[in-house]
Amino acid sequence: ILNVEQSPQSLHVQEGDSTNFTCSFPSSNFYALHWYRWETAKSPEALFVMTLNGDEKKKGRISATLNTKEGYSYLYIKGSQPEDSATYLCASLDRGSTLGRLYFGRGTQLTVWP
Amino acid sequence: NAGVTQTPKFQVLKTGQSMTLQCAQDMNHNSMYWYRQDPGMGLRLIYYSASEGTTDKGEVPNGYNVSRLNKREFSLRLESAAPSQTSVYFCASSEPGDVRTEAFFGQGTRLTVV
Repeated sequence: ILNVEQSPQSLHVQEGDSTNFTCSFPSSNFYALHWYRWETAKSPEALFVMTLNGDEKKKGRISATLNTKEGYSYLYIKGSQPEDSATYLCASLDRGSTLGRLYFGRGTQLTVWP
Repeated sequence: NAGVTQTPKFQVLKTGQSMTLQCAQDMNHNSMYWYRQDPGMGLRLIYYSASEGTTDKGEVPNGYNVSRLNKREFSLRLESAAPSQTSVYFCASSEPGDVRTEAFFGQGTRLTVV
């Protein structure tokens, strides 16, 4: 079982603040890193799939970076809005395990206050 | 395009009763998964199927069985429900042959065992 850790566990920010959270994963046998956004009472939806060291992805105000050598990824939200409130999950895909098996972290729960 | 369809959305069972959660995907994905989500625990893998005709245990398989009926369908069965199985269950699918693609999730089943 891959140990994927996310920090912080929860975060409360004011509207307009920028924020970031961390996902750490085993760097050996790395294959891919996924970020998902999970709103209450809905199902997780993918934000980014990252595969290469140094990858940077952006979708609107949300961006992510990847360091496969040291085993971490950062997710940034610029100018947080109340609609950004959700749990953000990262998941690692390991080249050594059965192909396609994602190992999820426990998530960072973000609350943005108006 | 329906994506991943999961039924039922809600279920209440008495201890000892059995039930089957159904999942179907229309994206021609090879891999399918069943996760459970409990407060503070993120998503934990119950069982997965890397391809049609194969199934493997995940992190928390005890008390569950699965069937990969065909490429589209992957069902999860609780033979004798226990209160510890009260949870939200998610089915997901992915195409592991393409490292750039993400997993797609069903809408979830909220199960209460009393």
